[in-house]
Amino acid sequence: NAGVTQTPKFQVLKTGQSMTLQCAQDMNHNSMYWYRQDPGMGLRLIYYSASEGTTDKGEVPNGYNVSRLNKREFSLRLESAAPSQTSVYFCASSEAQGGTEAFFGQGTRLTVV
Amino acid sequence: GENVEQHPSTLSVQEGDSAVIKCTYSDSASNYFPWYKQELGKRPQLIIDIRSNVGEKKDQRIAVTLNKTAKHFSLHITETQPEDSAVYFCAASRGMIKAAGNKLTFGGGTRVLVKP
Repeated sequence: NAGVTQTPKFQVLKTGQSMTLQCAQDMNHNSMYWYRQDPGMGLRLIYYSASEGTTDKGEVPNGYNVSRLNKREFSLRLESAAPSQTSVYFCASSEAQGGTEAFFGQGTRLTVV
Repeated sequence: GENVEQHPSTLSVQEGDSAVIKCTYSDSASNYFPWYKQELGKRPQLIIDIRSNVGEKKDQRIAVTLNKTAKHFSLHITETQPEDSAVYFCAASRGMIKAAGNKLTFGGGTRVLVKP
């Protein structure tokens, strides 16, 4: 039982390059989330998917797109990376309701130069 | 949308002393309040949570209190140990409302250092 798995763990991009962060969970959760973590700012929600087939913007969606590929997988795409997107990205999953625990992946440290 | 403020941003305590972290939230519809611990270079992990129908919850050395009227909640760690050193995040969500999903709004975090 791996929980939430993210790839890659580290990535360096040049400004303007694109990339996709992958996330998969094996807990049969309905909801999945992408957060970014910057120093002193906690974790901020980029996009989420309350259930398979739906996606919604979070607090900081600009510059990102997401795809809920199936119940297990939720990817985050940066179409044209900018230095302001340098951050640690966390994927998470949870049940859709009931105020239940969100389980996080190990994070992706992204640097845009 | 929801706004969660967390204080202090850093907290240094002597081993064996207590640590208290406070959070306030703005959305009166929020009903689920988890606390996460993040060790250096690791993922956030849930340590305790509380729902709006409860005023206090305790789990060994950790306790959380919730004041819905004032819209604030606090984490209390007693008899602190060096392994309690980490960054702690509070969060809030409308998790118990079906249409809202369980998306969390996090506070800015508190770096706790327990000195031996």
